[in-house]
Amino acid sequence: EVQLVESGGGLVQPGKSLRLSCAASGFTFEDNVMHWVRQAPGKGLEWVSSINWLSANIHYADSVKGRFTISRDNGRNSLYLQMNSLRPEDMALYYCVKDIRSVLNNDYGLDVWGQGTTVTVSS
Amino acid sequence: QSALTQPRSVSGSPGQSVTISCTGTSSDVGRYNYVSWYQQHPGKAPKLIIFDVTKRPSGVPDRFSGSKSGNTASLTISGLQAEDEADYYCYSFAGSPWVFGGGTKVTVL
Repeated sequence: EVQLVESGGGLVQPGKSLRLSCAASGFTFEDNVMHWVRQAPGKGLEWVSSINWLSANIHYADSVKGRFTISRDNGRNSLYLQMNSLRPEDMALYYCVKDIRSVLNNDYGLDVWGQGTTVTVSS
Repeated sequence: QSALTQPRSVSGSPGQSVTISCTGTSSDVGRYNYVSWYQQHPGKAPKLIIFDVTKRPSGVPDRFSGSKSGNTASLTISGLQAEDEADYYCYSFAGSPWVFGGGTKVTVL
């Protein structure tokens, strides 16, 4: 079974840091583009960041650029999001997401989602 | 990185068809055939229902179809069913970033 399990969320004060992790299983992790997508309470989906299979192509939403860092460890089948200088507007459910896009195709779509980990930013 | 524009809500009776529009620009929807659609029920993670504008993942009913014309992509749900009541989001490649639509709530009357 293809599965993504996020961890690392919690309550943090504004200006502090948090590191999210995502454990992948059931597919060849090193082949696929991976993303972080977030959803603030009662709001829509917001793309946060993406990383390709070799970590050669990394992109960020303007809202997190310079504060968040995405990374992956293909040997551990894991995806990470280091979040620094957190703001109240970063408070959301953070999803780890697998893209259809891989070394084997040119399709794009977010086909596997974790259940999310909640980040609360408050003093 | 402006969000794509979707209607806030659409509704229809069981068996009817509804169409959700997703309007972007010549830099995202109009430029790339990388539009996808997601269904999200309350308290659940989103589910991919259309990718690359028109393709359906295995297991998604053929009642769901996608299309694109110019800067606007569309999702059509034919033969609306009670379980189709959910939020729907479009998503497009926009160069380096990606961008979601604001979401559309589909209500089955």
